Amino acid sequence: ETGVTQTPRHLVMGMTNKKSLKCEQHLGHNAMYWYKQSAKKPLELMFVYNFKEQTENNSVPSRFSPECPNSSHLFLHLHTLQPEDSALYLCASSQETWQDSNQPQHFGDGTRLSIL
Amino acid sequence: GENVEQHPSTLSVQEGDSAVIKCTYSDSASNYFPWYKQELGKGPQLIIDIRSNVGEKKDQRIAVTLNKTAKHFSLHITETQPEDSAVYFCAFSSGGSNYKLTFGKGTLLTVNP
Repeated sequence: ETGVTQTPRHLVMGMTNKKSLKCEQHLGHNAMYWYKQSAKKPLELMFVYNFKEQTENNSVPSRFSPECPNSSHLFLHLHTLQPEDSALYLCASSQETWQDSNQPQHFGDGTRLSIL
Repeated sequence: GENVEQHPSTLSVQEGDSAVIKCTYSDSASNYFPWYKQELGKGPQLIIDIRSNVGEKKDQRIAVTLNKTAKHFSLHITETQPEDSAVYFCAFSSGGSNYKLTFGKGTLLTVNP
């Protein structure tokens, strides 16, 4: 069993649809992250949550709305997406973001999102 | 913003040979440098990381070296095997943060049997 589980693995949606991506971590971590991975581009950090509080929004358009109900679960709510939003969306977790030194981030296998 | 140059973008080696991937970063305040391996259809997997207080770290066939003066770090894989074939990403902590990572664009490593 992987430490970070993402569902669904694949999602195809129209530009007017509303859908949600789910991430669950079983590592006892307190920080969770959303990343976007597009072809031929570096991973882009989107949002960071630490102990359920959002600590980072990397200038992400409002059509992406994150939710972190507890330290184990993270959602990304999608609405009115654009074709350029098609990408692999990765969730990650780490121990926490307050420590003096960086804590390793562990990734899920992602949700492959296609916008028609 | 911060950036990292990763080379080469593709690398093909024969099984048993060594592979080296290099990254140059921009933030002199960086103190954490992880390497990730991503196989097809999977998420990135942390394979090794190094902090700025050491110059080299080894884990079996994998090693990472760090030159803070020159602001570059490298991944070394010895005795490569076909299962090492994947995309490898370097990253570094950026913006004085202890959780923000800046990633390279990746190196596609192919190990030919």
